[in-house]
Amino acid sequence: DADVTQTPRNRITKTGKRIMLECSQTKGHDRMYWYRQDPGLGLRLIYYSFDVKDINKGEISDGYSVSRQAQAKFSLSLESAIPNQTALYFCATSDSGTSGGPKDTQYFGPGTRLTVL
Amino acid sequence: RKEVEQDPGPFNVPEGATVAFNCTYSNSASQSFFWYRQDCRKEPKLLMSVYSSGNEDGRFTAQLNRASQYISLLIRDSKLSDSATYLCVAYSRGGYNKLIFGAGTRLAVHP
Repeated sequence: DADVTQTPRNRITKTGKRIMLECSQTKGHDRMYWYRQDPGLGLRLIYYSFDVKDINKGEISDGYSVSRQAQAKFSLSLESAIPNQTALYFCATSDSGTSGGPKDTQYFGPGTRLTVL
Repeated sequence: RKEVEQDPGPFNVPEGATVAFNCTYSNSASQSFFWYRQDCRKEPKLLMSVYSSGNEDGRFTAQLNRASQYISLLIRDSKLSDSATYLCVAYSRGGYNKLIFGAGTRLAVHP
């Protein structure tokens, strides 16, 4: 079984709809992240959470919100989807014990491909 | 200017070739560096960390030049299975204290 799972894997929706992307992990990591990936731009950080009570905005948080329901669950919401939010969304986890050092590794989920029409 | 910049490629090389990718970063306070590999439509996976001036792992060698603020990845004896996009990543303390990803360099190894 995958350590980091995302649901749904693909979603097509219409402008103005509310969408929730979910992420679960079994790695026991305390830190979780949401990224979006667009062609030619690389991964950009939307939100991140260092523990259940900690939520931080990333580089491109406008139009998004998150909820850390438990250490293992981190969901991303688009309150009113717009076409330029069409992208590949990745959830990732890491262990605070290694974060920032040479052994820092982020483990990514398989991604959610979101299309907003 | 992007904080981490890479040549997007693609680099088209025959099997057995040696290929090198470069990456530059703009934040001199960046502390750690990594190369991730991403297959088409899949999630990024850590390939290797870049320690101090560099390190080697089998056919892969990563080097860091802090004075010039660039990181390189050398792949020797390329395999078909090396075809992927390689993401250069810097860990920077700052506004969000997180990993900053380059847009990636695409490698295509052909028979």
